[in-house]
Amino acid sequence: EPEVTQTPSHQVTQMGQEVILRCVPISNHLYFYWYRQILGQKVEFLVSFYNNEISEKSEIFDDQFSVERPDGSNFTLKIRSTKLEDSAMYFCASRPGREGTEAFFGQGTRLTVV
Amino acid sequence: AQKVTQAQTEISVVEKEDVTLDCVYETRDTTYYLFWYKQPPSGELVFLIRRNSFDEQNEISGRYSWNFQKSTSSFNFTITASQVVDSAVYFCALTFSGNTPLVFGKGTRLSVIA
Repeated sequence: EPEVTQTPSHQVTQMGQEVILRCVPISNHLYFYWYRQILGQKVEFLVSFYNNEISEKSEIFDDQFSVERPDGSNFTLKIRSTKLEDSAMYFCASRPGREGTEAFFGQGTRLTVV
Repeated sequence: AQKVTQAQTEISVVEKEDVTLDCVYETRDTTYYLFWYKQPPSGELVFLIRRNSFDEQNEISGRYSWNFQKSTSSFNFTITASQVVDSAVYFCALTFSGNTPLVFGKGTRLSVIA
């Protein structure tokens, strides 16, 4: 069964460093998302991406964040200068494009900023 | 505003008991979609069910059943004869037309004790 894959599964970085989280969505899907879950809290939307551009973003998704789909398969989230409060589980998700379908989530990347 | 409320933060039951997880949503849209996801201790988000706003039929899948009531804006989830493997955090989520991002509730942590 097709699945969304994320790498790495766990990343530890020093405050102020840049990190890139990688995702390979399901191949025929059209909509891509990043979500964040701070430990023990709710799953929060960061950004959605469609047709090679950002379609929607939350107030969390400020200038330190960026997304890219560099090669038509990978979907990346870059955090330019990490802060302690960026420590969280980051989930990538994709949807096929038919309205109202469920989002298929990757297994997540646990980011720890020290 | 679109909002999902899961008032039960944590529930603990003894194995074989039935348990109902509550979900109440708010939306002004007439077309919307509701979901339940399971997050086991391993951390991934597992899709369980999707319902659209025009389909109020309840659904049963094995030990799982869902009760969708538009009159009370609720989409409750019942596990019959709970098992230890049901222990997880369960999230209710909402989305609208056009593949807008899912809005999640805060989740209910279910612990099933042997």
